[in-house]
Amino acid sequence: EAQVTQNPRYLITVTGKKLTVTCSQNMNHEYMSWYRQDPGLGLRQIYYSMNVEVTDKGDVPEGYKVSRKEKRNFPLILESPSPNQTSLYFCASSPAGALANYGYTFGSGTRLTVV
Amino acid sequence: AQSVSQHNHHVILSEAASLELGCNYSYGGTVNLFWYVQYPGQHLQLLLKYFSGDPLVKGIKGFEAEFIKSKFSFNLRKPSVQWSDTAEYFCAVNPNNNAGNMLTFGGGTRLMVKP
Repeated sequence: EAQVTQNPRYLITVTGKKLTVTCSQNMNHEYMSWYRQDPGLGLRQIYYSMNVEVTDKGDVPEGYKVSRKEKRNFPLILESPSPNQTSLYFCASSPAGALANYGYTFGSGTRLTVV
Repeated sequence: AQSVSQHNHHVILSEAASLELGCNYSYGGTVNLFWYVQYPGQHLQLLLKYFSGDPLVKGIKGFEAEFIKSKFSFNLRKPSVQWSDTAEYFCAVNPNNNAGNMLTFGGGTRLMVKP
């Protein structure tokens, strides 16, 4: 089944403890992206990647890092999480240049709480 | 930078009522437009999209949306809602200008349909 898989689904952590949220897609998509969803603010893009080793900042990149060493994986790294990063995170992927046909495929989300 | 506005944050309707959710965007060039739906506890799913041609587009589950270029709007409609339409709805815009696959989302409209 074609899908975007995020892990974990739920995570509670403490301020300053490094964490990684994984994202993997099995559709050979070039484009991958991370969003955070907060009430009333919709989805805001954190980082995106056009292909392997090609990443760029979205609208709210502060406090986050990403890497794209392989086409299928796009992990989100929080080096020193803070409570304002408590949010619902979504990973999404799409074929390059094919947004018209496919839109984004979203993962199931990761609910992160930083205490 | 472009922005997307959804003015109705919460909408409550009774079953069989008609629905119209507003979406306005600020980008002046050619755009591609999307509506996504997020059912409680689930990830975002594509409802419909507009890229070119007939400005009235039909999506899944009886939803439709009309692109009015002069008003920079892409409102979502459904003639008769059902309890199962209870969800959050997001409008999204992709500038058609080498922005690749980037999507900017509105803040979302939470719809509750009373049985």
